[in-house]
Amino acid sequence: DTGVSQDPRHKITKRGQNVTFRCDPISEHNRLYWYRQTLGQGPEFLTYFQNEAQLEKSRLLSDRFSAERPKGSFSTLEIQRTEQGDSAMYLCASSQQGQISRYGYTFGSGTRLTVV
Amino acid sequence: AQKITQTQPGMFVQEKEAVTLDCTYDTSDPSYGLFWYKQPSSGEMIFLIYQGSYDQQNATEGRYSLNFQKARKSANLVISASQLGDSAMYFCAMRESNYGQNFVFGPGTRLSVLP
Repeated sequence: DTGVSQDPRHKITKRGQNVTFRCDPISEHNRLYWYRQTLGQGPEFLTYFQNEAQLEKSRLLSDRFSAERPKGSFSTLEIQRTEQGDSAMYLCASSQQGQISRYGYTFGSGTRLTVV
Repeated sequence: AQKITQTQPGMFVQEKEAVTLDCTYDTSDPSYGLFWYKQPSSGEMIFLIYQGSYDQQNATEGRYSLNFQKARKSANLVISASQLGDSAMYFCAMRESNYGQNFVFGPGTRLSVLP
């Protein structure tokens, strides 16, 4: 297992377009998280899945954002009608229940979104 | 209110010297965990060290140690024998047991190791 994979690494889109990002977690991890990081800031929590169930959503996750993890494996994050304020790095992380204290989350390298 | 404060936007350290990165936190939850992550220019967040609120001893992982002062609500990261590859952003984060599964991150400190 090579860790958490995110695709694409970079995405440039025009304002108003829809974009979708994919995250493949570490295969034995049952928890998956999405974070957003703007320039010069720490990551901010967006949402969290345990297996296929979305258990938490931040208030940052407006109606234009939707996340899925249909079979409890990979996850997608879709942003509809993108706005310039959506420009950020979108980070995915995974963890195995009960192992956070030893290993923390394992993060992917992120998808950098630029809305022009 | 800021839950995690990192007051040093940037730090410089000479190679082979030790450096301390500051982190203070705010919580009313008696059960919480504190984490430090390193983010190099490639963007990936790398887990460094963990300290639980009930842990009696300060955490250590190789060249990393955490100076945990519970009464002061501080969890400073100490890097010994700095290496050029330590140059990166460093984030302090907290996970509160009563507030779900997510981490709250601080704004980060950029560490530059000088040859």
